[in-house]
Amino acid sequence: QKEVEQNSGPLSVPEGAIASLNCTYSDRGSQSFFWYRQYSGKSPELIMSIYSNGDKEDGRFTAQLNKASQYVSLLIRDSQPSDSATYLCAVNPNNNDMRFGAGTRLTVKP
Amino acid sequence: GAVVSQHPSWVICKSGTSVKIECRSLDFQATTMFWYRQFPKQSLMLMATSNEGSKATYEQGVEKDKFLINHASLTLSTLTVTSAHPEDSSFYICSARGQGVRGGETQYFGPGTRLLVL
Repeated sequence: QKEVEQNSGPLSVPEGAIASLNCTYSDRGSQSFFWYRQYSGKSPELIMSIYSNGDKEDGRFTAQLNKASQYVSLLIRDSQPSDSATYLCAVNPNNNDMRFGAGTRLTVKP
Repeated sequence: GAVVSQHPSWVICKSGTSVKIECRSLDFQATTMFWYRQFPKQSLMLMATSNEGSKATYEQGVEKDKFLINHASLTLSTLTVTSAHPEDSSFYICSARGQGVRGGETQYFGPGTRLLVL
């Protein structure tokens, strides 16, 4: 089992819709969780971090964490074509080496 | 805050030459830096973890004699690709660990270095 698993996609949503990106992790002791966005040909950029169970909202982005289910998600409301990118889920299992999922490719169609 | 720079942003070299890539944390001290490699349409692959003042820890399958890492200070780590070959052509990205905006440690990525070996 991979440490961090994501659906590779591609996920395609129409402009204005909600995009839902999911991630599961294997280390139950993980405490820190992150979502990065990577545009084609660019390096990843941090968009959200979450440490506690529940929802965390930042603009059009909402991260959801359920430690009991070892599940973290990212919702993007009012999706825009500029949101088209690969979204990487990252988990820090021991506050040392962050582990990344393979990424989910999102396409927002105008 | 939390800016990481890389230099050069791209490099083209002949097969057999060595290439050095610098990674700097500009506004924070990074005790740990990470080097990743990414081939087209593939995910990030961690190559090595570098702690300031100590030897780097390499991931399985990464040749430490080929990919030399030096973490000389809290703000600078270098990756040298020795005797580069065309199969080393890739996107090399460094990352530095520092304090996140709301506490807790977070990794911040440099802009990456695109290497093409002819």
